[in-house]
Amino acid sequence: DQQVKQNSPSLSVQEGRISILNCDYTNSMFDYFLWYKKYPAEGPTFLISISSIKDKNEDGRFTVFLNKSAKHLSLHIVPSQPGDSAVYFCAASEGSGGSNYKLTFGKGTLLTVNP
Amino acid sequence: SAVISQKPSRDICQRGTSLTIQCQVDSQVTMMFWYRQQPGQSLTLIATANQGSEATYESGFVIDKFPISRPNLTFSTLTVSNMSPEDSSIYLCSGRQGTAFFGQGTRLTVV
Repeated sequence: DQQVKQNSPSLSVQEGRISILNCDYTNSMFDYFLWYKKYPAEGPTFLISISSIKDKNEDGRFTVFLNKSAKHLSLHIVPSQPGDSAVYFCAASEGSGGSNYKLTFGKGTLLTVNP
Repeated sequence: SAVISQKPSRDICQRGTSLTIQCQVDSQVTMMFWYRQQPGQSLTLIATANQGSEATYESGFVIDKFPISRPNLTFSTLTVSNMSPEDSSIYLCSGRQGTAFFGQGTRLTVV
């Protein structure tokens, strides 16, 4: 049973435009959400996170939006750059600390930013 | 942030054999984890590596198949035992300092 779903396996956008990556979750106990970026032959690297007490978190070109009622979050990248081309994983946990800190990942979305 | 060095980066192994994957962190971390990513699938948590005690395994994973060691706060190993082609995956170790960070992964192919 996939508790974190990324329904788009791939996304292609033009350089300078907005990239929107989507993620849905089913476990209502999740209250901390993260996005990771992964280049080929490398491990995932942390990008941005959001706690359920917020509905938006911004870090430079990256913004994550959380809609708790819809159990949906999205990652916006503006403007998109060719170096953003990677697989993006959505992850969730029950709490941001303590023994409950186990990450449940989606399958990932391959973002391609075309020059 | 801390850095994990994971090795080997890839290996091709015969079925029935075992492979041990090592992860070395450049600073002490309280929590370390081992994940598996099968082709086309998400990262799945295998177990939490506990320093000085037995690892805590997730449902579907057992110690006999995936023995884990954690002798100190900077090092851990995962062994994939008695391998079959179904064990062909990317295996990733992870540490936690605030958020989780990952090693570069081990791409295992069992033939």
